Amino acid sequence: QVQMVESGGGVVQSGRSLRLSCAPSGFTFSRYGMHWVRQAPGKGLEWVAVIWFDGSNKFYTDSVKGRFTISRDNSKNTLYLQMNSLRPEDTAVYYCARDEGYYPNWYFDLWGRGTLVTVSS
Amino acid sequence: QSVLTQPPSVSAAPGQKVTISCSGSSSNIGNNDVSWYQQIPGTAPKALIYENKKRPSGIPDRFSGSKSGTSATLGITGLQTGDEADYYCGTWDSSLSGWVFGGGTKLTVL
Repeated sequence: QVQMVESGGGVVQSGRSLRLSCAPSGFTFSRYGMHWVRQAPGKGLEWVAVIWFDGSNKFYTDSVKGRFTISRDNSKNTLYLQMNSLRPEDTAVYYCARDEGYYPNWYFDLWGRGTLVTVSS
Repeated sequence: QSVLTQPPSVSAAPGQKVTISCSGSSSNIGNNDVSWYQQIPGTAPKALIYENKKRPSGIPDRFSGSKSGTSATLGITGLQTGDEADYYCGTWDSSLSGWVFGGGTKLTVL
């Protein structure tokens, strides 16, 4: 079954760190670029970061640059998002998403169910 | 304030047709492909359209996409109550070096 499952969410105090994981199954993880997309409660989708299939390139949205790091371990079939210096405005459901197509004309063809991160002040 | 502009809401009766617009600029829609996503409340988004007008496997042809200049449009015909959801457009922004989504449009099937 082709799917992705996020984990690592929870409640954390402002200024602390959290690491999210995304475990794909049913496809060859190392062939695909991967993204993190978040959605604050009652708000729209916000793209967070992308990592190339081989980890050679990474891009981030401005609001998380210098605080978040996307990484992957293709030998463990796992995608990560290390989140440092968390702020209340980082509170959101975080989705991992697989991209299909060629940079920059991707689209997100597979999504996880999401994991909720709540940052308390 | 989203880089891509969508109407906050649209509505139509069952069986009717609706269109949702997505307006951007030369740094995003004008030079990159647009995709569209449907999100039913409480669930993950699902891709409806990619490369401006193509449908992923399993998406019915009631859903269509088009692009002209710096704007894109999602069309849905034969509306069903199950189509009630939030719809998002998205594309790469070359100036920002990042992906951007529209603010989302809530579709109500009256």
